[in-house]
Amino acid sequence: EAGVVQSPRYKIIEKKQPVAFWCNPISGHNTLYWYLQNLGQGPELLIRYENEEAVDDSQLPKDRFSAERLKGVDSTLKIQPAELGDSAVYLCAIPGQGKFFGPGTRLTVL
Amino acid sequence: AQRVTQPEKLLSVFKGAPVELKCNYSYSGSPELFWYVQYSRQRLQLLLRHISRESIKGFTADLNKGETSFHLKKPFAQEEDSAMYYCALSGFGGANNLFFGTGTRLTVIP
Repeated sequence: EAGVVQSPRYKIIEKKQPVAFWCNPISGHNTLYWYLQNLGQGPELLIRYENEEAVDDSQLPKDRFSAERLKGVDSTLKIQPAELGDSAVYLCAIPGQGKFFGPGTRLTVL
Repeated sequence: AQRVTQPEKLLSVFKGAPVELKCNYSYSGSPELFWYVQYSRQRLQLLLRHISRESIKGFTADLNKGETSFHLKKPFAQEEDSAMYYCALSGFGGANNLFFGTGTRLTVIP
């Protein structure tokens, strides 16, 4: 299925450990989004990229979260250190009739 | 500020019965409204958008600007409709952020 690839699909870590998620918009869009979906909630925007530039990162908790999209293609979202409350699904998306979402990475912090 | 409200977290209907998933919104401007669906173990995917005015899998949704609602309806529910449904809005333009409701889990009872 074309669109967005994310890895890993699942990640279990202990609190205070670092973790990274990877997204590849294989259809090559300039715009890329990271969303956070907590259990029982709808997705919420963390950051939006236009090529390499983060044009909206107002919802990204910058004390522990960081993201990069160095070549304007794939992107990495990092958490360091992870906390229990970070357990959630992290979704990558591209524009497309609203947004086209990847399968997500389910993070569990123990 | 924008807000999407889905008052029902859970909704159960019998197969063949009509189903309506409620969605109300608030937005300062003219929003674009969407319904997304997430079947078990699948990615979040677009079901329909109000500007398309089309029926997808038998579902329809009419934007009621007076009542600020965008309820999702289907006259005869099928077992395969069991899923998580999210209402979402954005400003017009592909780069605009999507704001989601908390979702409604629909269960169609055989």
